[in-house]
Amino acid sequence: SQTIHQWPATLVQPVGSPLSLECTVEGTSNPNLYWYRQAAGRGLQLLFYSVGIGQISSEVPQNLSASRPQDRQFILSSKKLLLSDSGFYLCAWSDVHYEQYFGPGTRLTVT
Amino acid sequence: GQSLEQPSEVTAVEGAIVQINCTYQTSGFYGLSWYQQHDGGAPTFLSYNGLDGLEETGRFSSFLSRSDSYGYLLLQELQMKDSASYFCAVRSDSGNTPLVFGKGTRLSVIA
Repeated sequence: SQTIHQWPATLVQPVGSPLSLECTVEGTSNPNLYWYRQAAGRGLQLLFYSVGIGQISSEVPQNLSASRPQDRQFILSSKKLLLSDSGFYLCAWSDVHYEQYFGPGTRLTVT
Repeated sequence: GQSLEQPSEVTAVEGAIVQINCTYQTSGFYGLSWYQQHDGGAPTFLSYNGLDGLEETGRFSSFLSRSDSYGYLLLQELQMKDSASYFCAVRSDSGNTPLVFGKGTRLSVIA
């Protein structure tokens, strides 16, 4: 069966510090991968998606970036965090395109 | 542009039936999905409608009318554990385009 992992579960970082969030998927090959951000009580904002290794599409211009160094690994990064980067970050994967499976999420607080 | 409209909040009594509506305006349409998200958790897939009509999965049903650009999620025999946010999402094509999510409906089930 397929499993998606995200870490860390929670993170508190000062403004201006770097960020690296990692997501890995097990049990499937060549998945589509997604990074979303969710503010408290709000909807899902798609940040990046990837249909293959090294292929990244950015949905929202910001100080975040994403990379896919391996088929089942998706990384979200920032060189310098802003207060507005606080939120709940969710990684998701899909192979059958109408169904997405979400990871447990990382709750990021920028102080 | 792409837009999905769903009520922001709904309150219903335990044991009752509740319907959460979703109307959409998207550049393409291939199907409508529903996701459930409990507080602090990740969204989980509930149902998908690719064709007009009703899909039933236990206490949950989902309906689609492509001609009206409208769908709904029906929850029967409400339980306290159904208190959560519910998101509709549109698949706009048969390719790799990501789902477009609505802003979510927060359902509160009261005794």
